[in-house]
Amino acid sequence: QQPVQSPQAVILREGEDAVINCSSSKALYSVHWYRQKHGEAPVFLMILLKGGEQKGHDKISASFNEKKQQSSLYLTASQLSYSGTYFCGTGGGTYKYIFGTGTRLKVLA
Amino acid sequence: DSGVTQTPKHLITATGQRVTLRCSPRSGDLSVYWYQQSLDQGLQFLIQYYNGEERAKGNILERFSAQQFPDLHSELNLSSLELGDSALYFCASSGTSYNEQFFGPGTRLTVL
Repeated sequence: QQPVQSPQAVILREGEDAVINCSSSKALYSVHWYRQKHGEAPVFLMILLKGGEQKGHDKISASFNEKKQQSSLYLTASQLSYSGTYFCGTGGGTYKYIFGTGTRLKVLA
Repeated sequence: DSGVTQTPKHLITATGQRVTLRCSPRSGDLSVYWYQQSLDQGLQFLIQYYNGEERAKGNILERFSAQQFPDLHSELNLSSLELGDSALYFCASSGTSYNEQFFGPGTRLTVL
C-alpha cells in the first residue's frame, strides 16, 4: 500500500519552516525523500535507515520512527528553490518500490 | 545531472502503435526501475531489473514489457497504445543496497 503523506499541500513565505510527514501501513526498513519540480525528474534528497542512520542533503533534515512506521522531512528557513512536490519512497531490492502520495510545497517571496 | 540518460525526450504516436523507450543507468549501477507518471499524478512503479534479471514487478500492463541488456541499458516496450498511456515515463537507477533512486529526465509520450 502507498504511504500517505501529509499535508497534501502547503504554502510558505521565504524563511518559514515546514514539516512533511510520511506514514506507512507496512513496516519501513528505509525511507527515501525526493523533490520533483514541475515537468522535471524527481531528485533524491535523503535516505533514512533503520537505526537512525541518515545520508543525504545538508540543508534538509529528516527523522524516521520505525515503531510508528513514519518519517518526517524538515525544511527550515525555506527558500524559493524549495518549491516542488515532495515524495517519500520505500522498497527496492526484491520488493516493489513505492512512492508516497506526495506533498506540494510552494514558497512565496 | 543524475547520470541517467533516457531517449527519446518526446514521443508522439497514434493509438494502436508500438514504441520503445530507452534508458542507460549511471555508470556502475546494476538496478534499473521504470515508472509511469500521468499528468499531475504520483509515480507508479512498473518494473525493476537487476543485472539483466527481472527483480520486482508493479502494476505493469500486459501490453508493456521491458528488458535489461548485458551492457545494463534497459528498454521499455509499449504496444497497442491507448490514449490513457499518455504520460511521462521515467527510468531510475540505483547502485547500492539502500535502493535510492537516481532518475533520468524522462520520456514524454503523447498518444493521439
